[in-house]
Amino acid sequence: QQPVQSPQAVILREGEDAVINCSSSKALYSVHWYRQKHGEAPVFLMILLKGGEQKGHEKISASFNEKKQQSSLYLTASQLSYSGTYFCGTGGSARQLTFGSGTQLTVLP
Amino acid sequence: DAGVTQSPTHLIKTRGQQVTLRCSPKSGHDTVSWYQQALGQGPQFIFQYYEEEERQRGNFPDRFSGHQFPNYSSELNVNALLLGDSALYLCASSLGHEKLFFGSGTQLSVL
Repeated sequence: QQPVQSPQAVILREGEDAVINCSSSKALYSVHWYRQKHGEAPVFLMILLKGGEQKGHEKISASFNEKKQQSSLYLTASQLSYSGTYFCGTGGSARQLTFGSGTQLTVLP
Repeated sequence: DAGVTQSPTHLIKTRGQQVTLRCSPKSGHDTVSWYQQALGQGPQFIFQYYEEEERQRGNFPDRFSGHQFPNYSSELNVNALLLGDSALYLCASSLGHEKLFFGSGTQLSVL
């Protein structure tokens, strides 16, 4: 079952904050976050593991609510370079990830 | 250190033809996964190779097959191409079950 991401798109100004949500109908073992810029490869941002362990990016934070089967990605003080499409992927480690449809983030100067 | 490299970058085929896509993983990585990404969608898992064997497979027909070589590089083969196979095909490598490193992909167009 594909995770559901919200919002589908968000536009903000440089310096503003954004939250991207990822929900699953299945119990989650881990949530992976990737960012993909147009015409480029997806780039790893964060892994959140059941039990609270978090591995990833210094300037981006995330939460993982196992009971609600949800994860949220927090982008604070957005920079122009944050623009891109953000995907959450769910599954057991990186063995087989099921990605959501993505959230398109546009940061304007 | 070279990352994940894929070839070719673009490919145009006609219905019914066969295609082979190639992937060289990041140095030191032993696991290769293949994903299909339709326009405006997230990547969809095709299969994963480790120690030259297919370890996991997504919901794709047998027309999709693959191979991993002793040097960890991999190929994705698609037979009897359909119009719906048009997509960006992404290869991702990893060491064990940690984060994925994606290549820039092969854009396949089926006419």
